Amino acid sequence: GAVVSQHPSWVICKSGTSVKIECRSLDFQATTMFWYRQFPKQSLMLMATSNEGSKATYEQGVEKDKFLINHASLTLSTLTVTSAHPEDSSFYICSATDPEQYFGPGTRLTVT
Amino acid sequence: KQEVTQIPAALSVPEGENLVLNCSFTDSAIYNLQWFRQDPGKGLTSLLLIQSSQREQTSGRLNASLDKSSGRSTLYIAASQPGDSATYLCAVPKTGANNLFFGTGTRLTVIP
Repeated sequence: GAVVSQHPSWVICKSGTSVKIECRSLDFQATTMFWYRQFPKQSLMLMATSNEGSKATYEQGVEKDKFLINHASLTLSTLTVTSAHPEDSSFYICSATDPEQYFGPGTRLTVT
Repeated sequence: KQEVTQIPAALSVPEGENLVLNCSFTDSAIYNLQWFRQDPGKGLTSLLLIQSSQREQTSGRLNASLDKSSGRSTLYIAASQPGDSATYLCAVPKTGANNLFFGTGTRLTVIP
């Protein structure tokens, strides 16, 4: 079956720094990838839709200048959290469509 | 806007018991509904996908039903096992897009 990987699986960074999370579709090409965020004891919420070769579409309330998304190829999308703050600490999950949607294992971000 | 609700939020059952998880959605204009499993700190595992034209899907000890007109889906787990302990999420596609609206989840604990 289709596999989506994320790197890193967990990361700790200091407040004010930036961190990049990669999402890769390993055995298929995905023109569309999605980034979700999950706070403790809450459900997943869509942050943005990433389309290969074009700008990402952000959901209402998600700061596009803070969460930079790049989808430079059909197998890779990156999410960069810029000037991270403790409130950005969360579990970030990406998914890639084939067109069925396949989810990555998630990245736990902790901002100290 | 689509709202997806899951009841109960948490459930504990003794091993071997059959159980039902409930999912309701406000906009019945969906083309499929998906059930996922999420282990603590992990990503998502897709369990069952029901197309809007279907009324139920089965996979092993799992059976999911869909009643579009009433905006409801159920996930039936037969002969529960401790390994079934996880959070179960239902999700429906956003109209006109591939991303998903997730329910709030049901945290299941199967007691040995």
